Amino acid sequence: RKEVEQDPGPFNVPEGATVAFNCTYSNSASQSFFWYRQDCRKEPKLLMSVYSSGNEDGRFTAQLNRASQYISLLIRDSKLSDSATYLCVVNPWGGATNKLIFGTGTLLAVQP
Amino acid sequence: DTGVSQDPRHKITKRGQNVTFRCDPISEHNRLYWYRQTLGQGPEFLTYFQNEAQLEKSRLLSDRFSAERPKGSFSTLEIQRTEQGDSAMYLCASSPGLAGTTDTQYFGPGTRLTVL
Repeated sequence: RKEVEQDPGPFNVPEGATVAFNCTYSNSASQSFFWYRQDCRKEPKLLMSVYSSGNEDGRFTAQLNRASQYISLLIRDSKLSDSATYLCVVNPWGGATNKLIFGTGTLLAVQP
Repeated sequence: DTGVSQDPRHKITKRGQNVTFRCDPISEHNRLYWYRQTLGQGPEFLTYFQNEAQLEKSRLLSDRFSAERPKGSFSTLEIQRTEQGDSAMYLCASSPGLAGTTDTQYFGPGTRLTVL
């Protein structure tokens, strides 16, 4: 079983739609969780950290369910510029080494 | 630009040749990481430095791979006797390494390696 699993998509949605991505992780001791965004042939960039209480940044909402080992990202009012691959990322050991474990990514294509 | 920089951005080499990549982290970042990304996959951790000390290496890092960070600033990743399976994007990231904070990793643009 992969340490971080995501639906690879693609998700094809019209502008203005709401889209949700899900992710599961296998290590129950994982400490930190993130969503990164990666544009085609570019480097990953941090979109947002994910906290147990849930957090929101504009049109983006991230939630964490530790009991189910499940992370989600909700994008409201999708824009064409949101088209990218969204990577679910887990730091399984907290501050020890801080290495990140990435999912395969979910491809989002927002269409006019 | 004060972000992470990597050089070269692209490298094409023949099987069996040695290649070396360089990464310059964000100034004053203590931690430096190397990842590898192949098509359709997320980045995979290769190795990690805290200042000049290499503290962890992935099993993905075979004996043909070596990484250094001699003065705790820039780092190099060398691949000896390259194989076609080494073709990938090699990403470098750095983070401040400050205790008690969420230690965000910032990625460089990557070096895309093609082994013919």
